[in-house]
Amino acid sequence: GENVEQHPSTLSVQEGDSAVIKCTYSDSASNYFPWYKQELGKGPQLIIDIRSNVGEKKDQRIAVTLNKTAKHFSLHITETQPEDSAVYFCAASGGGGADGLTFGKGTHLIIQP
Amino acid sequence: GAVVSQHPSWVICKSGTSVKIECRSLDFQATTMFWYRQFPKQSLMLMATSNEGSKATYEQGVEKDKFLINHASLTLSTLTVTSAHPEDSSFYICSVSRGVNQPQHFGDGTRLSIL
Repeated sequence: GENVEQHPSTLSVQEGDSAVIKCTYSDSASNYFPWYKQELGKGPQLIIDIRSNVGEKKDQRIAVTLNKTAKHFSLHITETQPEDSAVYFCAASGGGGADGLTFGKGTHLIIQP
Repeated sequence: GAVVSQHPSWVICKSGTSVKIECRSLDFQATTMFWYRQFPKQSLMLMATSNEGSKATYEQGVEKDKFLINHASLTLSTLTVTSAHPEDSSFYICSVSRGVNQPQHFGDGTRLSIL
């Protein structure tokens, strides 16, 4: 089955700086890679996703890049703000997202004021 | 607004009892819903795929007789934890998707505590 590795487990950055979280996956059949933000006591919230036919996607301060050859994808958050503090999860699945997701272990992002 | 509603948000019960958790798709009819479990400070693990009108598909290691899933309508899936024990204490979260090439949206989860 699919295995998703995520690094780092904790990331502390100064407000206004950029944050980068990296994930690798094992199953070359995976074709859908979403990123979720989870706040304490709540369910994950989708922040951005990318499909295997695209190399990069951007939405305001958030961007995701995908390297299919190397089987890794990254989340980039620019101009970080205190409200960006949360746990971020990457995930992967086949079936264009219609299959269940395999999640990474999560990154606790801390924005220092 | 919310796409998925989950109820209850928190439940505490005695060991040996059964607990039912509901997951409702609010915006669209969902032929497929997913159930995940998340232990404290850990990642989400897929438990099963709930298919409307047919049996659920369980992931390896998940006991189907322990975690009963019923997807009786296109907007409602239920997860029943039978004869719950303290080790079943966890955060249970469902998700729904409109289908292929559509993202999964998660509910706010149910925190289950078994005493």
